[in-house]
Amino acid sequence: AQKVTQAQTEISVVEKEDVTLDCVYETRDTTYYLFWYKQPPSGELVFLIRRNSFDEQNEISGRYSWNFQKSTSSFNFTITASQVVDSAVYFCALSPISGSARQLTFGSGTQLTVLP
Amino acid sequence: DAGVIQSPRHEVTEMGQEVTLRCKPISGHNSLFWYRQTMMRGLELLIYFNNNVPIDDSGMPEDRFSAKMPNASFSTLKIQPSEPRDSAVYFCASSLGQSSYEQYFGPGTRLTVT
Repeated sequence: AQKVTQAQTEISVVEKEDVTLDCVYETRDTTYYLFWYKQPPSGELVFLIRRNSFDEQNEISGRYSWNFQKSTSSFNFTITASQVVDSAVYFCALSPISGSARQLTFGSGTQLTVLP
Repeated sequence: DAGVIQSPRHEVTEMGQEVTLRCKPISGHNSLFWYRQTMMRGLELLIYFNNNVPIDDSGMPEDRFSAKMPNASFSTLKIQPSEPRDSAVYFCASSLGQSSYEQYFGPGTRLTVT
């Protein structure tokens, strides 16, 4: 069974602050993918990043960075110098690589509000 | 290139009526997924197809729900008869290939059953 836990239900920051969204996962699979998706107020789900379980290098994309630590089963997401447009619900998700199941298991999401 | 297209965007219907949600995946993608999002249960996978064949429908709540994918560019999710507890946002997503490539989501259909 797979499980993704996003313990932070809501986070509120002031513009230009850095913010880290936590994601902890459980899986019995030895190989898997981890994802982050963004759901802005308009409702659509926007893909942000996919990482595989055998690549623990941190990744940076502009103001976004991701810290994957297999030892603690965590895949945290940091937004540097947050902006009002970053306000959204952010979902962490997990998917196996092998086997017939290809579905994503989503966490419950973290509502991020960036105040001007 | 167009993203995943879903219709209608909003649907309001009365309990007992049949509801059909439609999805057009991204051209060239061969996996298609139907999800449901509610406040109580979050995002749940209902069913997914690979090369138009249903692979896993274990998430389909009950027999009132059915999904089809008659060709690579079209899928439907039908609820018959609908119930108020079916009210949710239904997302369709598509991805490329057999592996767990990133899934691209449509804008969703907000269903309200009164």
